[in-house]
Amino acid sequence: SQTIHQWPATLVQPVGSPLSLECTVEGTSNPNLYWYRQAAGRGLQLLFYSVGIGQISSEVPQNLSASRPQDRQFILSSKKLLLSDSGFYLCAWSEGDRTYGYTFGSGTRLTVV
Amino acid sequence: GEDVEQSLFLSVREGDSSVINCTYTDSSSTYLYWYKQEPGAGLQLLTYIFSNMDMKQDQRLTVLLNKKDKHLSLRIADTQTGDSAIYFCAETFLAGNTPLVFGKGTRLSVIA
Repeated sequence: SQTIHQWPATLVQPVGSPLSLECTVEGTSNPNLYWYRQAAGRGLQLLFYSVGIGQISSEVPQNLSASRPQDRQFILSSKKLLLSDSGFYLCAWSEGDRTYGYTFGSGTRLTVV
Repeated sequence: GEDVEQSLFLSVREGDSSVINCTYTDSSSTYLYWYKQEPGAGLQLLTYIFSNMDMKQDQRLTVLLNKKDKHLSLRIADTQTGDSAIYFCAETFLAGNTPLVFGKGTRLSVIA
């Protein structure tokens, strides 16, 4: 069966520090991968998605970046965090046709102080 | 462009039925989904409906789709305190790899 792992669960980082959040999927190949951010426990903002290794689409211009170094690994990074980067970050995966929607990871609560 | 709208809050008494509504703008939507998010957790897929269906029932959940009005609803029968969560509506158009479009979520509060 397919599983998605996201870590860490909680992170407190100072302003200006770097960020690396990792997401991996098991039990499938060539998944579509997504990073979302949820601010203040509300709506989902799509940050990045990837349909294959090295293929990253950015939805929102900001100081975050994403990479997909392996088929089932998706990394969200920042060189210098801002206070406004605080939020709940969710990784998700789907089959290519998305018939059954997305499967989400358990999320990372990031607080920038 | 694509847009999905939901009311932000809903409060119901335990044992009553809850109806969460959603409207979307993309008439070419193929699949529509309902997700549930409990506090501090990721989103869990509850159910989905194909655009060629009007209704889908799964135990306490009933999804109704009105394609003419671009309106989707989720009815939860015999609502329980464990149903308290945020419910997200989402749509997709299965051409290419365009991501799902999510609504902002409806916070359901169940009063005992």
